Amino acid sequence: DTAVSQTPKYLVTQMGNDKSIKCEQNLGHDTMYWYKQDSKKFLKIMFSYNNKELIINETVPNRFSPKSPDKAHLNLHINSLELGDSAVYFCASSPGPRGTETQYFGPGTRLLVL
Amino acid sequence: AQTVTQSQPEMSVQEAETVTLSCTYDTSESNYYLFWYKQPPSRQMILVIRQEAYKQQNATENRFSVNFQKAAKSFSLKISDSQLGDTAMYFCAFTLLYNQGGKLIFGQGTELSVKP
Repeated sequence: DTAVSQTPKYLVTQMGNDKSIKCEQNLGHDTMYWYKQDSKKFLKIMFSYNNKELIINETVPNRFSPKSPDKAHLNLHINSLELGDSAVYFCASSPGPRGTETQYFGPGTRLLVL
Repeated sequence: AQTVTQSQPEMSVQEAETVTLSCTYDTSESNYYLFWYKQPPSRQMILVIRQEAYKQQNATENRFSVNFQKAAKSFSLKISDSQLGDTAMYFCAFTLLYNQGGKLIFGQGTELSVKP
């Protein structure tokens, strides 16, 4: 059973398009995250949700809009895609939002904007 | 603001030997956690080991152990009896215990190659 899953795994699209990445966790966790890994493999948090409420928005452009329909899902919608959005996007989840909780990562979605 | 620095972009080690990956961090807080994550070519992020800052004893997980020096703000990872499957990117990460929404701050990563 996959604990944290993401779809799609690969996404190739043109500049200016709108795309969504879906994330689901079956661990019963309350907290979910989106991280971005750039071409130099640097990982940085984008958003954190706890019980469907946004608790971290790490100065991400408002073209990025996360949505959490329920505790098990956190989707990422990106409007007007730009070349610089090309990256690997990781979803993660943890039992709660405290530092004591280990985060479990999904397999990542590689986005390529042409 | 907290920062994490990994000063070794790449390292290599012979199979069965021991290797140590370095990590330093900067924070004015006293309650935090430190982690090492492994990212093999499959891209999956896998937790290797974690250390609570309030614990003086260094964490160990089988062949993986850490040398946690709180005063020096240093958190190195030692891999003993290296195996080919240890080839991966290794990330050091930091999180505050409270009021951060679980935010993990990562270092730049160290790419480890284990050679036969």
